[in-house]
Amino acid sequence: GQQLNQSPQSMFIQEGEDVSMNCTSSSIFNTWLWYKQDPGEGPVLLIALYKAGELTSNGRLTAQFGITRKDSFLNISASIPSDVGIYFCAGRAVGGSQGNLIFGKGTKLSVKP
Amino acid sequence: DAGVTQSPTHLIKTRGQHVTLRCSPISGHKSVSWYQQVLGQGPQFIFQYYEKEERGRGNFPDRFSARQFPNYSSELNVNALLLGDSALYLCASSWDRGGDEKLFFGSGTQLSVL
Repeated sequence: GQQLNQSPQSMFIQEGEDVSMNCTSSSIFNTWLWYKQDPGEGPVLLIALYKAGELTSNGRLTAQFGITRKDSFLNISASIPSDVGIYFCAGRAVGGSQGNLIFGKGTKLSVKP
Repeated sequence: DAGVTQSPTHLIKTRGQHVTLRCSPISGHKSVSWYQQVLGQGPQFIFQYYEKEERGRGNFPDRFSARQFPNYSSELNVNALLLGDSALYLCASSWDRGGDEKLFFGSGTQLSVL
């Protein structure tokens, strides 16, 4: 099935550092969502974006809907150990059903204490 | 309020068997979607149901089917199980109102096919 290009695949960072990850698509999307998944759990919604250029924050997390509508970015500031997990971008393509999200392969974040 | 609940949490089946997975959406949510997540990958869309009607279908064989009940809960059925069907099966619910398109996921059912 179709998947988004998400990078980086994994990253190790020092506690307190800022983190950036991004997602790109060959198709135009009308919604971008960012999720975090812990082992043995389902994805938990972090941020939802609905308009090109939109910049939205949730605590230390900030995400942006790219102006081309083909990409999105997630930044985590001042990382802490509980930020460890797998982050997924997900998008809804134009014309797709409401429940049909296309996911990236994830960015695995590991923090050195 | 309870989130999306799925049952069972774990299941072991053998090739050729049939399996039924169950999902209860968040109270007030009328849309349920099913996803398959194999190890190391992002979730893949299987079905969406809204008001008991199929709204979307992903690229999965006819061995996969689903239905939604009047109380908006849903079942995913998989027939003639293959080894490759081993995965985490996720259910997500949403309001499905125009402009509000957040999906909330349950913890999933881990299916192992031996």
